[in-house]
Amino acid sequence: DAGVTQSPTHLIKTRGQQVTLRCSPKSGHDTVSWYQQALGQGPQFIFQYYEEEERQRGNFPDRFSGHQFPNYSSELNVNALLLGDSALYLCASNRRGTGVGIGPYEQYFGPGTRLTVT
Amino acid sequence: AQTVTQSQPEMSVQEAETVTLSCTYDTSESDYYLFWYKQPPSRQMILVIRQEAYKQQNATENRFSVNFQKAAKSFSLKISDSQLGDAAMYFCAYRSARTALIFGKGTTLSVSS
Repeated sequence: DAGVTQSPTHLIKTRGQQVTLRCSPKSGHDTVSWYQQALGQGPQFIFQYYEEEERQRGNFPDRFSGHQFPNYSSELNVNALLLGDSALYLCASNRRGTGVGIGPYEQYFGPGTRLTVT
Repeated sequence: AQTVTQSQPEMSVQEAETVTLSCTYDTSESDYYLFWYKQPPSRQMILVIRQEAYKQQNATENRFSVNFQKAAKSFSLKISDSQLGDAAMYFCAYRSARTALIFGKGTTLSVSS
């Protein structure tokens, strides 16, 4: 059973450039979330995609955008890169719960993409 | 807004000993989940244990157990019989129907032989 996969593993970009990160969810999962983790900090939620639509968004500027494809995979795009965008970008997937209550909504994480902006 | 606080930036323990990592959170919601995630140097975030807020019984997973005090909004992680492989950064996290995962700043656990 394949877990969450992300590509690329590492990426170096220059200020002002644009970057696209990719994520394939765990088998059976239909919801993808993206997080930014600065060095020595906890992950910060960027946004979540379900049924190809952005469902929730954290406190990130519009430079951060995303997409979800019919096969549930997802992309994170960041435009006009800043030095402060240097971080580990984590993708997490879960199966959207059904029934009463919020369900476990356990999120499984990928290994992350390390983005360095110079 | 919901917040998660981990007040111990670093902790250390010897092999075979027991260590407890602290976490407090703030929320006005009644239905939520709490999690402990482990992040080793490999960066892969691994779910260690979860607790449903409506359950009074503390969750246990092998050597890992939690002490969930809902009224005090406290959620500590106890690691028994510590092993070298337990060395990692540990994150406490909160989630509800209205929020994505909200993480604390983490506690770095080192294990010595």
